[in-house]
Amino acid sequence: GQSLEQPSEVTAVEGAIVQINCTYQTSGFYGLSWYQQHDGGAPTFLSYNALDGLEETGRFSSFLSRSDSYGYLLLQELQMKDSASYFCAVRDNTGFQKLVFGTGTRLLVSP
Amino acid sequence: EPEVTQTPSHQVTQMGQEVILRCVPISNHLYFYWYRQILGQKVEFLVSFYNNEISEKSEIFDDQFSVERPDGSNFTLKIRSTKLEDSAMYFCARSGTGAYEQYFGPGTRLTVT
Repeated sequence: GQSLEQPSEVTAVEGAIVQINCTYQTSGFYGLSWYQQHDGGAPTFLSYNALDGLEETGRFSSFLSRSDSYGYLLLQELQMKDSASYFCAVRDNTGFQKLVFGTGTRLLVSP
Repeated sequence: EPEVTQTPSHQVTQMGQEVILRCVPISNHLYFYWYRQILGQKVEFLVSFYNNEISEKSEIFDDQFSVERPDGSNFTLKIRSTKLEDSAMYFCARSGTGAYEQYFGPGTRLTVT
């Protein structure tokens, strides 16, 4: 089976930097993805790491260490609109690409 | 990239009734998925659809669920006899151009009373 664990909630202030961690246990690994979900909305794709290291996309960066079964999402220059839930996800190894999601982290950004 | 549309946005039904949720892909893709999210919980995989056939289903996707592509375009998720615990957001998703991203529709909120 597969399981992905994340902190349930993280709080930060505008302009700050926050890191959301994800540890995973999977029977097969095809990369770690990150999704953002605002209240009442759909998950939206943010980033993906197939290999170890840091991937940067604007204010968001994602990191992966396959040897540690660990990754994180780094959000810089936080804005109020970043308040949302963030999910890590792994692609299943069956070949049909279903996503297995983590427990989710609720980020609260305050002024 | 364009995503998918879903109807209805909100469905209220009584326990034991049948509901049909619809997903309309905007463009033609091979892989489609249905996911469920109970309020405050994580997103859970239900079923995947590849080349007009079910390719995989989870343990949640029991005999009360079925999925079809009746006209070659729209997808439907049918829940035959709803239970209170079926209350959730149901998302349709399609695969992206890469192998690693999926694009979700806005979801249907199902409330079973």
